[in-house]
Amino acid sequence: QLVLTQSPSASASLGASVKLTCTLSSGHSSDAIAWHQQQPGKGPRYLMKLNTDGSHSKGDRIPDRFSGSSSGAERYLTISSLQSEDEADYYCQTWGTGIQVFGGGTTLTVL
Amino acid sequence: EVLLVESGGGLVQPGGSLRLSCAASGFTFSRYWMHWVRQVSGKGLVWVSRINNDGSSTDSADSVKGRFAISRDNAKNTMYLQMNSLRAEDTAVYYCARSALDCSGGTCSSLNYYFDFWGQGALVTVSS
Repeated sequence: QLVLTQSPSASASLGASVKLTCTLSSGHSSDAIAWHQQQPGKGPRYLMKLNTDGSHSKGDRIPDRFSGSSSGAERYLTISSLQSEDEADYYCQTWGTGIQVFGGGTTLTVL
Repeated sequence: EVLLVESGGGLVQPGGSLRLSCAASGFTFSRYWMHWVRQVSGKGLVWVSRINNDGSSTDSADSVKGRFAISRDNAKNTMYLQMNSLRAEDTAVYYCARSALDCSGGTCSSLNYYFDFWGQGALVTVSS
């Protein structure tokens, strides 16, 4: 069964960096994922597609502060030089034949 | 600029019906698969339904199968979600989303893929 696991919360200080993790379930460690950001009260926003080799393609006007990387079944979203507007929920997504799966989301607090 | 704008949300009684619309602009709507995703207040994103680019193929989550129907009118650049037999647990914000094209093979194909654009959402409240 295709499942994505995310930590419910994370926090980091203004100007610092943070690395969020999305873990693919067994048997799916080579799958690609997408990262999405959802700021409070808004619809989600696509950030990037992240492949198993760590290569990624970002959405329109996504700042260079957002980057992705991979290791085994783990997919990471790193946000550097944290700004107040980065305080949001972050979701990973993957897909297969006939299915779409989201992780439970990570709420990022910028201190 | 790609825009997806949902409309048609509102308050409906249990057992009632509602039709959501998603108006698309800024891209060739007929090339893309489209989806509905919902989010209960304070909870995560849940996929609801999808339709392929010409409307000939659809699929839905088990929780809404037989009650919700997805459709599209490519001439109007609009996707719909007809929701019947609504239940309290259908209360959520409903988002439309576009599947990206897969251009990895040199030519671009439309398919069930990651979402590259989202709408702002429409609130559906099912309550007596």
